[in-house]
Amino acid sequence: DTGVSQNPRHKITKRGQNVTFRCDPISEHNRLYWYRQTLGQGPEFLTYFQNEAQLEKSRLLSDRFSAERPKGSFSTLEIQRTEQGDSAMYLCASSPKEVVGMENIQYFGAGTRLSVL
Amino acid sequence: AQSVTQLGSHVSVSEGALVLLRCNYSSSVPPYLFWYVQYPNQGLQLLLKYTSAATLVKGINGFEAEFKKSETSFHLTKPSAHMRDAAEYFCAVSDGRMGRRALTFGSGTRLQVQP
Repeated sequence: DTGVSQNPRHKITKRGQNVTFRCDPISEHNRLYWYRQTLGQGPEFLTYFQNEAQLEKSRLLSDRFSAERPKGSFSTLEIQRTEQGDSAMYLCASSPKEVVGMENIQYFGAGTRLSVL
Repeated sequence: AQSVTQLGSHVSVSEGALVLLRCNYSSSVPPYLFWYVQYPNQGLQLLLKYTSAATLVKGINGFEAEFKKSETSFHLTKPSAHMRDAAEYFCAVSDGRMGRRALTFGSGTRLQVQP
């Protein structure tokens, strides 16, 4: 168990550029989540996959954001035409198939910090 | 809709003193409740969870929390603070119904431990 892996750890981009982040969940975890965390705040839910199906999307996920999990393993989060307000830490989490007493346990990666200049 | 309120954005205690971090939640359905800890430049680590079993929950690093439905609270405690406990702590709630997975987090409490 190597934990949830996110790449890159840091990304600096200019306003208007597109960026893509990758998340590799813990092996055999079938659920994968994306959250956004701004300075001084708790994480905010963006979207959730079960296997390759995207089952929940937050209203925070504007049409400039898209997430995929094509083979039910790793996931990518793309932001098109970045804005300064997109600057944040983007966190990925994964969770295994549930058993009683272990419902909705999410394991987080270290995040990708995005700075939009 | 669910929400979490963490009272006190900063808490400072002396090493060896009691740690009490407050969390109140709002949920229209039976909730799952969690405490996470975040160290600088790291992701969130699960401390403990409540998922409708025992109301007093023990977690890692000597932390525990008690679910009080009547008070809609899930406060985090530790009898004796250690320097390594200095970090940001987040309380989170999720809908206990099947298929709902999004965690709603509070805004966090930064714990400072004085020597």
